[in-house]
Amino acid sequence: QKEVEQNSGPLSVPEGAIASLNCTYSDRGSQSFFWYRQYSGKSPELIMSIYSNGDKEDGRFTAQLNKASQYVSLLIRDSQPSDSATYLCALGREYGNKLVFGAGTILRVKS
Amino acid sequence: ETGVTQTPRHLVMGMTNKKSLKCEQHLGHNAMYWYKQSAKKPLELMFVYNFKEQTENNSVPSRFSPECPNSSHLFLHLHTLQPEDSALYLCASSQAGRGAGVNTQYFGPGTRLTVL
Repeated sequence: QKEVEQNSGPLSVPEGAIASLNCTYSDRGSQSFFWYRQYSGKSPELIMSIYSNGDKEDGRFTAQLNKASQYVSLLIRDSQPSDSATYLCALGREYGNKLVFGAGTILRVKS
Repeated sequence: ETGVTQTPRHLVMGMTNKKSLKCEQHLGHNAMYWYKQSAKKPLELMFVYNFKEQTENNSVPSRFSPECPNSSHLFLHLHTLQPEDSALYLCASSQAGRGAGVNTQYFGPGTRLTVL
């Protein structure tokens, strides 16, 4: 079992819809959770971080964390074509600063 | 300069060449990382430095040699590379220590390396 699992996609949604991206993980010692966006040929860009169970909202983005079920998700409201990218889920432990990345989910927003 | 910078942005080299990639962070961080990202593949962590000390080498071939002279600068020295080493090489930085959020990593723009 991979430490971080993401559906590779592509996930296709129409413009204006809600895109839902999911990530499951195996290490219960994980304490920090991150979503990065990566456009083709570019470097990953931090979108959101979440550390506690529940929802965290930032503009059109909402991260959801459920440690008991070991999943973290990212919702993108009012999806725009500019949101088309690969979304990487990453997690970190309390000790040490290494992050473990998932393989990413490709999102395509169709206008 | 702000954030994390990397030079050069593009590099083409032959298998017998020696070249170096440079990374500089302007965020006051004390941990730095090298990642490799091949086409359509996940990020691969190569090296981790905390307070200038290498704390992780993820079984990277010796033709890749990292150097961290201080907490703001990180180099990756390349020699006798193979065509399969062609990839996007990313540098990142973060704080080092315990606690949520401390390990948030910020990436540089990357160096696109092509080995002929």
